[in-house]
Amino acid sequence: GQQVMQIPQYQHVQEGEDFTTYCNSSTTLSNIQWYKQRPGGHPVFLIQLVKSGEVKKQKRLTFQFGEAKKNSSLHITATQTTDVGTYFCAGGGYGGATNKLIFGTGTLLAVQP
Amino acid sequence: DAGVIQSPRHEVTEMGQEVTLRCKPISGHNSLFWYRQTMMRGLELLIYFNNNVPIDDSGMPEDRFSAKMPNASFSTLKIQPSEPRDSAVYFCASSLSTGGFQPQHFGDGTRLSIL
Repeated sequence: GQQVMQIPQYQHVQEGEDFTTYCNSSTTLSNIQWYKQRPGGHPVFLIQLVKSGEVKKQKRLTFQFGEAKKNSSLHITATQTTDVGTYFCAGGGYGGATNKLIFGTGTLLAVQP
Repeated sequence: DAGVIQSPRHEVTEMGQEVTLRCKPISGHNSLFWYRQTMMRGLELLIYFNNNVPIDDSGMPEDRFSAKMPNASFSTLKIQPSEPRDSAVYFCASSLSTGGFQPQHFGDGTRLSIL
């Protein structure tokens, strides 16, 4: 079946350190979206990537879509305590469905002040 | 504008009871999704609707689960009979289904505990 794996499952960093999470799909994606879920909260949309090799930035966050459109990464520069939460990638385009997403396993980020 | 509204926020009930979860999508959104989140299985898509029509229910665990969307502003997810392994956080999300790929907007979820 369709699978989207993320590594690592958990990352603990000191405030100010960088953080990266990686996302891999078993099949080629039409698009990939990234979400953040704070502890006890709900997933909140961050960004969407559509083009092969696309790179987008949001302040300290850099998102990349692989050339083969099967993998993606999220990099946070100089983490802050407000970055704490679980980061999910979500792959779209499975079976031709334009709005169905398969969520990755998520990476839980802990930031120590 | 109001976001996706789910009720109840918390539900605790005994196994065997019927459970009904409710969702009101964002006005104007024509796609609605039901997800289940657990530590073991992560965030799983159960079913989704486009324009009130179920499109993909391949994620529904078994016949005990059913979902309806009688109109554009309301959907229910029902579990009958409930079992302890159904304990999870259930999220409803909505989006537009036109104009390419659209982000999904999640409700606050229903935390369900089956004793």
